[in-house]
Amino acid sequence: AQTVTQSQPEMSVQEAETVTLSCTYDTSESNYYLFWYKQPPSRQMILVIRQEAYKQQNATENRFSVNFQKAAKSFSLKISDSQLGDTAMYFCAYWSGSARQLTFGSGTQLTVLP
Amino acid sequence: DAGITQSPRYKITETGRQVTLMCHQTWSHSYMFWYRQDLGHGLRLIYYSAAADITDKGEVPDGYVVSRSKTENFPLTLESATRSQTSVYFCASSESEREQFFGPGTRLTVL
Repeated sequence: AQTVTQSQPEMSVQEAETVTLSCTYDTSESNYYLFWYKQPPSRQMILVIRQEAYKQQNATENRFSVNFQKAAKSFSLKISDSQLGDTAMYFCAYWSGSARQLTFGSGTQLTVLP
Repeated sequence: DAGITQSPRYKITETGRQVTLMCHQTWSHSYMFWYRQDLGHGLRLIYYSAAADITDKGEVPDGYVVSRSKTENFPLTLESATRSQTSVYFCASSESEREQFFGPGTRLTVL
């Protein structure tokens, strides 16, 4: 079974600064997808960014970008120009092409400080 | 506004009672999912459905029952609620199976 590890339970960053959230995963597959979800205090799970394993280019969505290191099985999320509204729990998730299921990490609570 | 909705948003029940959590999506997505979220575990898959009348177990299916007679609805039933089923429950839907869109969640407390 695949495992997803987020080693930083909590992080904080000053408004307008850049922060990087870490995620590692364990797999022997070649066909998989990776996602970052954001869960603000409202509890809604919001898809932030996705990465296909077969693509070498790192995904970018506005202020959010990933550093996908396939050989190292690492998938970190970088948030640039942090805003107060970025305060949330962030979950890394792995979709298995064989199990056809999404596996989540335990989350990183990010607090953006004014 | 279209999307995915869950009801009720909050529910308190007692041990041994039957509880049904509702999930409705307006996108006509083929796939639907139920997850539970507990502290320290992230989200764990309970059941999923690839289409109407097709359901399958996820990581933690014990104590839960699902059905899907219509594409847009995917109810989750706790036949005899236990305290260990106190959790936040999320429904999700997807057309691609991979990229999943979540409902607002239902907080269930079993006393």
